[in-house]
Amino acid sequence: SAVISQKPSRDICQRGTSLTIQCQVDSQVTMMFWYRQQPGQSLTLIATANQGSEATYESGFVIDKFPISRPNLTFSTLTVSNMSPEDSSIYLCSVEGPGDRAFEQYFGPGTRLTVT
Amino acid sequence: AQKITQTQPGMFVQEKEAVTLDCTYDTSDPSYGLFWYKQPSSGEMIFLIYQGSYDQQNATEGRYSLNFQKARKSANLVISASQLGDSAMYFCAMRTRGNLIFGKGTKLSVKP
Repeated sequence: SAVISQKPSRDICQRGTSLTIQCQVDSQVTMMFWYRQQPGQSLTLIATANQGSEATYESGFVIDKFPISRPNLTFSTLTVSNMSPEDSSIYLCSVEGPGDRAFEQYFGPGTRLTVT
Repeated sequence: AQKITQTQPGMFVQEKEAVTLDCTYDTSDPSYGLFWYKQPSSGEMIFLIYQGSYDQQNATEGRYSLNFQKARKSANLVISASQLGDSAMYFCAMRTRGNLIFGKGTKLSVKP
């Protein structure tokens, strides 16, 4: 399986500020995914990030609010901009499995964000 | 439309006993994958098991097995010999040609 790390693991931020979350994978992957999990809820896909192209956002999520960078095949960032308390969630990075395990999907440890 | 349904918000099981967590799915795509993930209170999503729609046999990974009944569109997770460390949220998920979609989850509590 892929080993995924995220930074920061948790943060408490003030309303109106922005936070950038980093995701690092130990192998090269084509697609990286960013999910949000609001308190007590299931996971919702924010966007899919391919290296060298613009991220593809799901309905209800926009680039101005959640800009994503994907500078290479092992790294991506998600920024949560102009935060409000409704953005308090766990944000998870995810990748497909390597090689012949590409049908599997793995998640990073998550970033627990609280907006006050 | 693609959909995953987990009808058990919470389940209790006695330590060392087996437990089945229910999952039904809906898709018109003949090719899909079904997943189960465990989420402890720390928040990480731990991949447990995968079943492909064309796989003839039920998937097994250690104490986890997936009871795949294609005609019924069900993909129940069976955990054998429950341990206290199995207490967590469990999510069923499906991926077709699109993205991974999740059920609402089942909270499993293992009693000593």
